[in-house]
Amino acid sequence: EADIYQTPRYLVIGTGKKITLECSQTMGHDKMYWYQQDPGMELHLIHYSYGVNSTEKGDLSSESTVSRIRTEHFPLTLESARPSHTSQYLCASSGGANVLTFGAGSRLTVL
Amino acid sequence: DQQVKQNSPSLSVQEGRISILNCDYTNSMFDYFLWYKKYPAEGPTFLISISSIKDKNEDGRFTVFLNKSAKHLSLHIVPSQPGDSAVYFCALRGSNYKLTFGKGTLLTVNP
Repeated sequence: EADIYQTPRYLVIGTGKKITLECSQTMGHDKMYWYQQDPGMELHLIHYSYGVNSTEKGDLSSESTVSRIRTEHFPLTLESARPSHTSQYLCASSGGANVLTFGAGSRLTVL
Repeated sequence: DQQVKQNSPSLSVQEGRISILNCDYTNSMFDYFLWYKKYPAEGPTFLISISSIKDKNEDGRFTVFLNKSAKHLSLHIVPSQPGDSAVYFCALRGSNYKLTFGKGTLLTVNP
């Protein structure tokens, strides 16, 4: 059973709004990740963190930002949402170097 | 330039038969290889993995084969069951411990 939680699961919002996607894990994992996925496409890494106060940008450029103030919490924020941000956002964590555990995802639609 | 390719967007098999999902890669620096399974509206779940020092790993109905010289990875599911119907992603770990995903293959197992 997954111990990584994402909220909201679905969000429809207007252009220009600020949004925060929440991600929490109860496994005590140091490493956390945000991936973005469009239908029929691969998962693209947009942010990752290897511990508290550590955040890095991933391989795909993103206008979103992240923070890691607590081990268990890794929220993603978009200051001003645009239709191009419409996508599924997947949060993951890992305790070791190999296997990532994913949350159920947050599907964002920007009108 | 896509480093990880799953050339079959979809695959349909009969229940009880073998399903073979393929993944090709270009970067010889990948050293750990994973398969994830994803149902609609859920996050990917880890299925099976293999390290670069092996050429086969088996877990119940699932077997992963690695051919390093051909840079080819495959997942065999036998016997296939209707509950196996999902999107399957291969994910490859590089030297920086980040995973690179393929676009996925939609497997449909018909009763």
